[in-house]
Amino acid sequence: GAGVSQSPSNKVTEKGKDVELRCDPISGHTALYWYRQSLGQGLEFLIYFQGNSAPDKSGLPSDRFSAERTGGSVSTLTIQRTQQEDSAVYLCASSLGVVEGEAFFGQGTRLTVV
Amino acid sequence: GESVGLHLPTLSVQEGDNSIINCAYSNSASDYFIWYKQESGKGPQFIIDIRSNMDKRQGQRVTVLLNKTVKHLSLQIAATQPGDSAVYFCAEEVNSGYSTLTFGKGTMLLVSP
Repeated sequence: GAGVSQSPSNKVTEKGKDVELRCDPISGHTALYWYRQSLGQGLEFLIYFQGNSAPDKSGLPSDRFSAERTGGSVSTLTIQRTQQEDSAVYLCASSLGVVEGEAFFGQGTRLTVV
Repeated sequence: GESVGLHLPTLSVQEGDNSIINCAYSNSASDYFIWYKQESGKGPQFIIDIRSNMDKRQGQRVTVLLNKTVKHLSLQIAATQPGDSAVYFCAEEVNSGYSTLTFGKGTMLLVSP
C-alpha cells in the first residue's frame, strides 16, 4: 500500500483477554517501530525491528507484551492477559532503515480494555 | 519544551503569533533530526528534518534550529494558525549504519483564534 496500515483501527477487549495488533509497513521498509501513546501523552517506545537483526525489545513494559515480524514485512504486537492500563493507542512506523530515513506512521490502533 | 515525564508540556499561542517549540535531545552522537506533527486521532507526520552539519533549515512557515553545543533543537512556526494545533515531536538518529530513530515525548501546541 501507499502508507503504513494498521488493523484494527479500534479494539475493545475484556480484561484478561489476549489481543493481536497488526502492522503492514510500507513495502521495502526494513525498519519497523511500535510505540504506545496514552491519552494526552507522548510516544512510549516499545520495540524496534531492523532487517534480520535481533529486535530491540527494551521498551516492552512486561512479559505480557511480545511482537514478531514475519518475513521482514508484516508485524504483529500481541498483548496477553490484557489489563486496563494497557488501554492506549498503539502506533506503528516504518522506514527504509537507512541513515537519515524518515519514519512513516500508521494511524494507530486504539485499544480499550474494559 | 520536551519533558522526560509522560505528561505533555503545552504551549498556548494566539493565531498569527510565532511559535517556538523546543527539544533537548539526549545523545551527543546524534547526527540527524526530524520534527513530526501529530494531529488529534492521527499518526505523526513528517514536518522538516536537519542534519548535524547544519544549524538552520527553513521550510514553508517552519524553521528548525540546531545547537549541538547544548544538544538543543527548536521548531519555529511563523504566523501560527489554528490548523497548527497538534502535538509536535522531535526525533534524533545516530549514524550507526542503519536507522535508529529515538523520539522525544512531545509538546502540545494550542492555537487560539
